[in-house]
Amino acid sequence: QVQLQESGPHLVKPSETLSLTCTVSGGSISSYYWNWIRQSPGKRLEWIGYIYYTGDTNYNPSLKSRVTISVDTSKNQFSLRLTSATAADTAVYYCARDPNFDYFDSWGQGTLVTVSS
Amino acid sequence: QSVLTQPPSVSAAPGQKVTISCSGSSSNIGNNYVSWYQQLPGTAPKLLIYENNKRPSGIPDRFYGSKSGTSAILGITGVQTGDEADYYCGTWESSLSGWAFGGGTKLTVL
Repeated sequence: QVQLQESGPHLVKPSETLSLTCTVSGGSISSYYWNWIRQSPGKRLEWIGYIYYTGDTNYNPSLKSRVTISVDTSKNQFSLRLTSATAADTAVYYCARDPNFDYFDSWGQGTLVTVSS
Repeated sequence: QSVLTQPPSVSAAPGQKVTISCSGSSSNIGNNYVSWYQQLPGTAPKLLIYENNKRPSGIPDRFYGSKSGTSAILGITGVQTGDEADYYCGTWESSLSGWAFGGGTKLTVL
């Protein structure tokens, strides 16, 4: 069974770049769509974007100017970069797999990232 | 504001049936599959229903989903105390070319 694990800094200063990595184990990253989703303190889920293993990406229009998602198939990892972070980016960040372009069947445990000086 | 509308909370006594609605539009639910996720306290969301009414392996048949027009419903029969959680609907939003989620519904088992 595939497992996903987020890693990265838990504290980011305002205006700096938030960077996270998702490591996929128990299966190959060379298929499917790999997503980043975040959950604000108010519990709202917000889709950030996805990357296909070929490198094709699609981002939430509201974040598109600040987001980059990349994949490293040799390490079975994909990553998120969110520039110019503000307090509004404070959230639990999840990585998730979409096997068929219509649902998320595997999620990481999530990692809380706080944007604060 | 979420493009998908869910009631903030529902409640049910153990053993009863409860339904959670998810209302959208032609640009999301009306033309795309709906999935449902259960989030127990302190954990990540877990897939409950996909493609409107299909259950992943391991999900009991107490959980069911349906879709009609621009709305979807998650139903739970024989509610148990362990079902207390937040429930989210999700679907593709064609006007944004991206995923949309409902605001979530908290199920309280009385």
